[in-house]
Amino acid sequence: GESVGLHLPTLSVQEGDNSIINCAYSNSASDYFIWYKQESGKGPQFIIDIRSNMDKRQGQRVTVLLNKTVKHLSLQIAATQPGDSAVYFCAENNAGGTSYGKLTFGQGTILTVHP
Amino acid sequence: NAGVTQTPKFRVLKTGQSMTLLCAQDMNHEYMYWYRQDPGMGLRLIHYSVGEGTTAKGEVPDGYNVSRLKKQNFLLGLESAAPSQTSVYFCASSGRDQQPQHFGDGTRLSIL
Repeated sequence: GESVGLHLPTLSVQEGDNSIINCAYSNSASDYFIWYKQESGKGPQFIIDIRSNMDKRQGQRVTVLLNKTVKHLSLQIAATQPGDSAVYFCAENNAGGTSYGKLTFGQGTILTVHP
Repeated sequence: NAGVTQTPKFRVLKTGQSMTLLCAQDMNHEYMYWYRQDPGMGLRLIHYSVGEGTTAKGEVPDGYNVSRLKKQNFLLGLESAAPSQTSVYFCASSGRDQQPQHFGDGTRLSIL
């Protein structure tokens, strides 16, 4: 299968713990951010997004925090389950000008949840 | 609702051969994108389209061509495949700016 995991940051947690996955972005003009989950052999799956006029957004078991001062994004997963094991990507978009929704992706973080 | 469908799922080519990867979306999205994913490098944009009949270059366009003859379809072509194009290719679509892109499950392409 694909070896997406080479040299990626890893996070190992126990089932039931909370997980925090971090992402540093580079473009201070970026104003839209997305987190994706990618399971082995599958395409990236949308988890949650946030616009730059917000610093926190909550979904079902997930929370995204945005700190524009230090250009940092985090994804918090509550009560992590084995099914959450995957590679997680952050992505940023600068909607100004002619970006046409183009996203710049981070390299990803491997989350492993132990039963 | 199928979302984004990519065909084929797997393909092995010899150097110099050509092929076309197909992407279809049923969400009436304006924007469509082709990415490649290589180990440790995340997703890199090859080409994209902002509407029927339009295409534009992304970050790594060399060696690829695209066409968007119908709104729901976005084709990625390799005219003369090279081993460096061995990768997993993903297609995505979105409705407009600041909306999530929705991805297909990829085409795994090996060039020998």
